[in-house]
Formats: sequence, structure tokens, C-alpha cells
Amino acid sequence: GAGVSQSPSNKVTEKGKDVELRCDPISGHTALYWYRQSLGQGLEFLIYFQGNSAPDKSGLPSDRFSAERTGGSVSTLTIQRTQQEDSAVYLCASSLLASGANVLTFGAGSRLTVL
Amino acid sequence: AQSVTQLDSHVSVSEGTPVLLRCNYSSSYSPSLFWYVQHPNKGLQLLLKYTSAATLVKGINGFEAEFKKSETSFHLTKPSAHMSDAAEYFCVGGTGANNLFFGTGTRLTVIP
Repeated sequence: GAGVSQSPSNKVTEKGKDVELRCDPISGHTALYWYRQSLGQGLEFLIYFQGNSAPDKSGLPSDRFSAERTGGSVSTLTIQRTQQEDSAVYLCASSLLASGANVLTFGAGSRLTVL
Repeated sequence: AQSVTQLDSHVSVSEGTPVLLRCNYSSSYSPSLFWYVQHPNKGLQLLLKYTSAATLVKGINGFEAEFKKSETSFHLTKPSAHMSDAAEYFCVGGTGANNLFFGTGTRLTVIP
């Protein structure tokens, strides 16, 4: 696609429910990142996918968070048993090159509100 | 430890006056440095990137940044602020594909 597409753009859920957030990166981009942006704060790294390599999950805050990337393209971030502190904007980004610090193209984000 | 520090959480300027958003980095070796802008309810958009080719980097929308190794700084400037420049700005450093470090952001307000 022309850009990084994320869905849903907004999600309101009740505490304890599971949510899935989707990211469709730019075609051909081998690297995919998930970040979390809480109100008034910077970006918090969650997980990184690079090609067929094992993902770097070091940023996931708890075992309630998981992500997968199917076929090296679309990625889904799943949050189980959501808590109010999970409320944030979840940003996905993709990058073309496999090495070096490269330009990331970001999606518009999925705003999650946990009531 | 590698990091970037954005020295101001909020900067307010009048329309038509210069903009200065400050960023200092800390790294064992010269990182790649970026400035991104985030408008409300939008993703981050790249303004400019430094990768050691030239210390003065020109970006989009009239922004530029100068890499100063002696000061470990990469401040973002623009000669004349426009109302549309009001946004959140992030300084980002990186030494690898998965070694990116984000500043906490600077909110720019432009006063008419």
C-alpha cells in the first residue's frame, strides 16, 4: 500500500476484554515495529519484526501482550484481559532496510480506551 | 547508555519568528539522528535525517538541523514559524535497525 495502515483507528473496550489491533505495513518493508504512546509521553517500544527472524519482544510490558506477523506482512497486536493502564495510542511503523538505523514510516495509530 | 534528550517539553513562538527545538544525544558512537513531527491524531512523519554525510541537514517545510559533535547536539530550527507548524516534535537516535531511542517530545505552539 501507499502507507502504513492501522485498524481500528479508535477502540473502546471494557476492562478484562481482549483486543486486537492490526497493522498493514508498506509493501516490501521487511521491518515492522509496534510502539505505545501514552498521554503526554514519548514512544515506548513494544516489539520488532525483521523478515523471518525471531521477533524482538523485549518491550512487551506483560504476558498479556503478544503480536504476530503473518507471511512477513500484516501484523496483529493482541492485548488480553485489558486493564485501564493499557489505554494509549498504539503506533505501528515499517522500514525498508534490514540493517542500520533507517527511516520509519508510521501509521496513524490505534487509540485504545479501556473503561 | 544511548539516549536522546529533548530539553524543552513545550516551546511557544509567535507566527513569523524563529523556531528552535533542542535535542542532545548520548551515544558511544555517532548515531543516525532524525526529527519526526506528529500532528494531532496522526502518525509520526519524518522531517529530516542525519547520517554523517553532511552536518547541516535540510528537511521538509523549511526545517533544518545541524549536527554538532562537540556539543552532542542536533537542534531543529526554522527561520519563520507558520501556524501549521504547531505539533509535537520528536528527536530520535539510532545505531541499528532495532536500536532506536526516542526523545520524550517537544510540543510547539505557534501564537498568531
